Amino acid sequence: EAGVTQSPTHLIKTRGQQATLRCSPISGHTSVYWYQQALGLGLQFLLWYDEGEERNRGNFPPRFSGRQFPNYSSELNVNAFELEDSALYLCASSGTLVVNNQPQHFGDGTRLSIL
Amino acid sequence: GEDVEQSLFLSVREGDSSVINCTYTDSSSTYLYWYKQEPGAGLQLLTYIFSNMDMKQDQRLTVLLNKKDKHLSLRIADTQTGDSAIYFCAEMAAGNKLTFGGGTRVLVKP
Repeated sequence: EAGVTQSPTHLIKTRGQQATLRCSPISGHTSVYWYQQALGLGLQFLLWYDEGEERNRGNFPPRFSGRQFPNYSSELNVNAFELEDSALYLCASSGTLVVNNQPQHFGDGTRLSIL
Repeated sequence: GEDVEQSLFLSVREGDSSVINCTYTDSSSTYLYWYKQEPGAGLQLLTYIFSNMDMKQDQRLTVLLNKKDKHLSLRIADTQTGDSAIYFCAEMAAGNKLTFGGGTRVLVKP
């Protein structure tokens, strides 16, 4: 069974540009999560999507946005890229929430860097 | 509030046991998790424990939970060089949000 897949592996942007990161969840999973792993700041929760709806959002500026498609894949958009946005962005997926404890399974991440 | 803390570094000899400790603050956490991150990779789910349990064993891994002290530990028996990685504990907060500790870097020496 394929795990969570993310693309691209690496992305280099200049300040002010827009970046789009993609994530495909494990087959059968309906929830997708995004986390940022920045040097010195650790792993921080960004967004949670389930059944196409945004369910929760972390403490990030509005230039971070995303969406979930009908096939449960997801996009994370970073608009007006800033130096402090350089980080590893991890996507995770989990099963349906009506069942207790759906552990989050992670992909290998997209490393977003500034040029 | 949510805050998860771990020690930064652990050095262990191959074949010995490793114990990684974690403290958390959110008493409403229902599940607590351990993840492993190898260089250049994402997070691999190792194991988890429900908050009404004291202990869970899964092959070489043993998780101990002291809910009164909000203390979680992961013991790795017979530690191997392939166990060298960063280990993160995490608690599940409201809104399905995982709050992670800063990670413990484990170095296994031959």
